[in-house]
Amino acid sequence: DAKTTQPTSMDCAEGRAANLPCNHSTISGNEYVYWYRQIHSQGPQYIIHGLKNNETNEMASLIITEDRKSSTLILPHATLRDTAVYYCIVRVGGTSYGKLTFGQGTILTVHP
Amino acid sequence: EADIYQTPRYLVIGTGKKITLECSQTMGHDKMYWYQQDPGMELHLIHYSYGVNSTEKGDLSSESTVSRIRTEHFPLTLESARPSHTSQYLCASSEGGRSFSPLHFGNGTRLTVT
Repeated sequence: DAKTTQPTSMDCAEGRAANLPCNHSTISGNEYVYWYRQIHSQGPQYIIHGLKNNETNEMASLIITEDRKSSTLILPHATLRDTAVYYCIVRVGGTSYGKLTFGQGTILTVHP
Repeated sequence: EADIYQTPRYLVIGTGKKITLECSQTMGHDKMYWYQQDPGMELHLIHYSYGVNSTEKGDLSSESTVSRIRTEHFPLTLESARPSHTSQYLCASSEGGRSFSPLHFGNGTRLTVT
């Protein structure tokens, strides 16, 4: 699996966009980028995933660079409840998908 | 919201006791997983199952065991608890037969062995 690098922590003002970067320079052609988040004392929550095209859902947008070596998760209007640890994971799809490796992630703090 | 439940939410138990952590899901998912997470640390996969009567060890060695007799139920057992087993245990499930299905997590069991 490709290794990912994320900043340890980030801050964001409530109501502003939160842009969380992730580097995955060794990603291979069949590996997806997945994002999860974990709010304190809860289980992780799936946010979004993509292969090479930008993706958007009701929670967030995922922007993947053309060379696929990095990506950015965008929370368009951050709220205090978005304070969490955000995990960027790169993994091949298919039956082995569940064997995800959750790294240290980025601690996002949204402040009033 | 995903329907995956873990009990108990918190457990404090003495060394040497046998314990079973319960995990149930009502979504009919074939695949189920157990992760272990120490406070502020990464999640590590310790067990997984791709269906009834299927169990495999994960990436992190664990002294726990699991069983999958029914689709909806994936309990984790520690035969003799030790202080080194103190951790949070997270159960997850996903659909089978598809290239991608998001993991749905329970809220975990926080285990303390004294």
